[in-house]
Amino acid sequence: GQNIDQPTEMTATEGAIVQINCTYQTSGFNGLFWYQQHAGEAPTFLSYNVLDGLEEKGRFSSFLSRSKGYSYLLLKELQMKDSASYLCAVREIPSGSARQLTFGSGTQLTVLP
Amino acid sequence: DSGVTQTPKHLITATGQRVTLRCSPRSGDLSVYWYQQSLDQGLQFLIQYYNGEERAKGNILERFSAQQFPDLHSELNLSSLELGDSALYFCASSVVTGESTDTQYFGPGTRLTVL
Repeated sequence: GQNIDQPTEMTATEGAIVQINCTYQTSGFNGLFWYQQHAGEAPTFLSYNVLDGLEEKGRFSSFLSRSKGYSYLLLKELQMKDSASYLCAVREIPSGSARQLTFGSGTQLTVLP
Repeated sequence: DSGVTQTPKHLITATGQRVTLRCSPRSGDLSVYWYQQSLDQGLQFLIQYYNGEERAKGNILERFSAQQFPDLHSELNLSSLELGDSALYFCASSVVTGESTDTQYFGPGTRLTVL
């Protein structure tokens, strides 16, 4: 089984930088995903890490440390539209074509003007 | 728009009834995943199908079943509905290849309300 922890809520100011942490425990790690989800809408893919280090994609970056079971999502130059829930999801080593994800409970980010 | 479609968008029904949710994956994707999201629980994995066959099973209730058809669309059947089944039901799809990323793309969801 897996255990994924992330903070429930965070608040930040427009234009600032925010870091959302995620810790996980898994028996066979095979990748970590970050998704953004606005209320009542579908999760949308933000980033993927399978090796240690930083992946940068515009205003969003994601970091992974497999030895520590730790990842973070960094959002720069925050905009009001970034107010959403951010979901950390872990994939275990697949068995055949099994590829299911286990999601954390999500971090609700509120961006204030 | 992810390319994954789900119908209906909203569904209101009564306890004890049976409903069917439908999902069409992105063009070229062979695998379909079903997730349930309720207010007090996060996004919970229910079941995965790959090219018509069940591949992985999560905490799916026995009252729930799914299938994937030859044209790769999938249906999730929910029966003997209870109030606690009220939730957003998402379908996602992915290619499932040797590439490590194999990102899942989510449909817009079906909001089920059981009265």
